[in-house]
Amino acid sequence: AAGVIQSPRHLIKEKRETATLKCYPIPRHDTVYWYQQGPGQDPQFLISFYEKMQSDKGSIPDRFSAQQFSDYHSELNMSSLELGDSALYFCASSSYESGQDYSGANVLTFGAGSRLTVL
Amino acid sequence: GEDVEQSLFLSVREGDSSVINCTYTDSSSTYLYWYKQEPGAGLQLLTYIFSNMDMKQDQRLTVLLNKKDKHLSLRIADTQTGDSAIYFCASGGYNKLIFGAGTRLAVHP
Repeated sequence: AAGVIQSPRHLIKEKRETATLKCYPIPRHDTVYWYQQGPGQDPQFLISFYEKMQSDKGSIPDRFSAQQFSDYHSELNMSSLELGDSALYFCASSSYESGQDYSGANVLTFGAGSRLTVL
Repeated sequence: GEDVEQSLFLSVREGDSSVINCTYTDSSSTYLYWYKQEPGAGLQLLTYIFSNMDMKQDQRLTVLLNKKDKHLSLRIADTQTGDSAIYFCASGGYNKLIFGAGTRLAVHP
């Protein structure tokens, strides 16, 4: 079965540079979520999109922006990178219409993550 | 805001049962979830429970929910070395899930 695809898997950037992460959700999933997981930390919710519109916003810095495109893929843009931005960035997708087994639960399927290292 | 808390570490012997506990604050969550994360990997959904249920069993996994106390637990029967991972409980709705800090389960012979 198709999973959530994230690219790149690894990215190394210098301070003050810009990075873009991409996420391709499971086909027919209409909601995309971005999470940031620092070393030894729990995943922190950044932002989510439903049908290409932002649906919720968490602890996303102003230096970051994201969008969901017409083909439902999403991109997370990070500018003026800081050392503290080094983390694993996860994308997840779900279907608002039904849970994975039509129970109504919001089952998020996560990608393998993109590891960003800022030097 | 919403908060989810877990104990950070659990060590068990292979073959024993593991119980991972979680408390949450968001009483509006319709479902509560357990995810597993192995080193360097993404989060994998293990199971979830509807907030009106007290218990759900899925093979070696048993989820208990005390809605009054906002307490959720995950019991893994016959714990194996392959169960060593970080286990996250999560609450929330369609716009987002909030995760706890994760419980690192170590299984030793």
